Amino acid sequence: GQNIDQPTEMTATEGAIVQINCTYQTSGFNGLFWYQQHAGEAPTFLSYNVLDGLEEKGRFSSFLSRSKGYSYLLLKELQMKDSASYLCAVLDSNYQLIWGAGTKLIIKP
Amino acid sequence: GAVVSQHPSRVICKSGTSVKIECRSLDFQATTMFWYRQFPKQSLMLMATSNEGSKATYEQGVEKDKFLINHASLTLSTLTVTSAHPEDSSFYICSARAPGGDTEAFFGQGTRLTVV
Repeated sequence: GQNIDQPTEMTATEGAIVQINCTYQTSGFNGLFWYQQHAGEAPTFLSYNVLDGLEEKGRFSSFLSRSKGYSYLLLKELQMKDSASYLCAVLDSNYQLIWGAGTKLIIKP
Repeated sequence: GAVVSQHPSRVICKSGTSVKIECRSLDFQATTMFWYRQFPKQSLMLMATSNEGSKATYEQGVEKDKFLINHASLTLSTLTVTSAHPEDSSFYICSARAPGGDTEAFFGQGTRLTVV
């Protein structure tokens, strides 16, 4: 079966750095997405990785290792507004998005 | 990025009535749209894949006669929750991808359905 694992919840301090991991086992791979979702709102796109390596976009970076079935989202200089759920999703061989359950990130002052 | 508009954002209806939710791609043609349901503190659950001009493909366990999907044009898909019950209360979100299968998914704003 297809499976995406990410931690249920993480806590970090304002101004610090946090890394949210995602491991996946899917039928084929056509890319991995990270989305941010605030409570009661629709997800918003953060990043897309299809090749191995690190993609940096401002305070957020995303890393992919296809051989390990592993990705992480790195958030730097954390702000209170970064408190949200972060969803990892993989595009499988049929170009269907397979979603992780999301990681709830709690930022403390 | 592309814009997907979903309406209404919130709806409260009486048990036994039907509710229609619209999802429009505003600046691109979406041959495929996706409908998700999300219960509190849970991830997105794909309900069905809506294909323009053909029948929707429903995920296992989703009642196609209860959740009617119509994708009559390249920019509009509708989800109708028929004979709604309190257990149908949830957050419903539509999504579409621009042509090219590896592009990001754009989401509508979501619809908070409360059945009383």
